[in-house]
Amino acid sequence: EAGVTQFPSHSVIEKGQTVTLRCDPISGHDNLYWYRRVMGKEIKFLLHFVKESKQDESGMPNNRFLAERTGGTYSTLKVQPAELEDSGVYFCASSLRTDQGYTFGSGTRLTVV
Amino acid sequence: GQQLNQSPQSMFIQEGEDVSMNCTSSSIFNTWLWYKQEPGEGPVLLIALYKAGELTSNGRLTAQFGITRKDSFLNISASIPSDVGIYFCAGRTSGTYKYIFGTGTRLKVLA
Repeated sequence: EAGVTQFPSHSVIEKGQTVTLRCDPISGHDNLYWYRRVMGKEIKFLLHFVKESKQDESGMPNNRFLAERTGGTYSTLKVQPAELEDSGVYFCASSLRTDQGYTFGSGTRLTVV
Repeated sequence: GQQLNQSPQSMFIQEGEDVSMNCTSSSIFNTWLWYKQEPGEGPVLLIALYKAGELTSNGRLTAQFGITRKDSFLNISASIPSDVGIYFCAGRTSGTYKYIFGTGTRLKVLA
């Protein structure tokens, strides 16, 4: 089966610009998660979708971040306007059941300059 | 918030040596996961643990779910150059679907 796909793999934007990250989970996986790793630190939870519904968005840093999963398939994470501290690697993951470990995508490395 | 203390932060070892790393938490977890991340890739699940005291192997890798439910250990036996990468532990408490990750152990193997 195809894995979790993320696009783009890298993005360099200026402070104040908008960036949209996309994640295509494994087909049939209702659970989709966004995580972020800031340089050298732990991988931190952002939010969890079950199909198109936000199950838990307690990790979203602030209202500059907007995640959507229309139709319960792929998901987008928009950062608007981007700030320097938003730089990091954004990972998407999916799972068939919530009691399973996740399958991660390769991540999007976001650099805000 | 909840934190996982993962140690060591980095290790340089000779090929053929055994490796041990661990994670500890102040919280009680009901699931522990161990992941490996290689450059340019996302973390790949190595071992999942679901019961206190559980000992699970995946090839040369062995992980244990601590009996206090606040820690977990990962051992790699007879390391080889392709073991290079960052190893992350992740734990989950009951009543939540999200995992908390450790800061990672960067492993380098010298041939």
